[in-house]
Amino acid sequence: QMQLVESGGGLVKPGGSLRLSCAASGFIFSDYSMNWIRQAPGKGLEWISHISTGGGTIYYADSVKGRFTISRDNARNSLYLQMNNLRAEDKAIYYCARGQGYILGDYWGQGTPVTVSS
Amino acid sequence: SYVLTQPPSVSVAPGKTATITCGGNNIGSKSVQWYQQKSGQAPVLVISYDVERPSGIPERFSASNSGNTATLTISRVEAGDEADYSCQVWDTTTDHPGVFGGGTKLTVL
Repeated sequence: QMQLVESGGGLVKPGGSLRLSCAASGFIFSDYSMNWIRQAPGKGLEWISHISTGGGTIYYADSVKGRFTISRDNARNSLYLQMNNLRAEDKAIYYCARGQGYILGDYWGQGTPVTVSS
Repeated sequence: SYVLTQPPSVSVAPGKTATITCGGNNIGSKSVQWYQQKSGQAPVLVISYDVERPSGIPERFSASNSGNTATLTISRVEAGDEADYSCQVWDTTTDHPGVFGGGTKLTVL
């Protein structure tokens, strides 16, 4: 059965870095684009990054461009998000989601929490 | 950037019909998705490509999209439908194409 499992979240100081991972199973990972989407406490969903099936097309939200890097390893069925220069406003639950056409997430992981605090 | 506008909250009695709107400039020309997110859970896709229900989504969920407004309709509302509902589009005119509405909290009275 289809599964997306995020990991790597935690507490980090402002200016610090984290690398999130998303392990996919139950479907042909290389056939699907992938997205990272976050949700700050008490707020709505915010799309932050997209990567195409082969990694050749990548997009970022303005809020993270230049600080976050999305990547994928199709051989390992894994999606990544390298987050640098973290700010307090990056505190959120980070979800990976399987994309399909104009759909940002037909399946979602359970999310991994990120807290940025000194 | 493309903006999607949703009402913060909608309330409905059990058995009645709930309507949640999503406004955007000429949104009728875009493909709209709707997600349901229950408290403490990950979002679930309930409508894709304006009107399509994924497998497992009850027929009580329907949607439309025209002009500047997309609409999610939930018929015969049940207590279990209480959740946040968010609309989403993919804006191909920009290099940051993923867009969500702010979300609507559906309360079942």
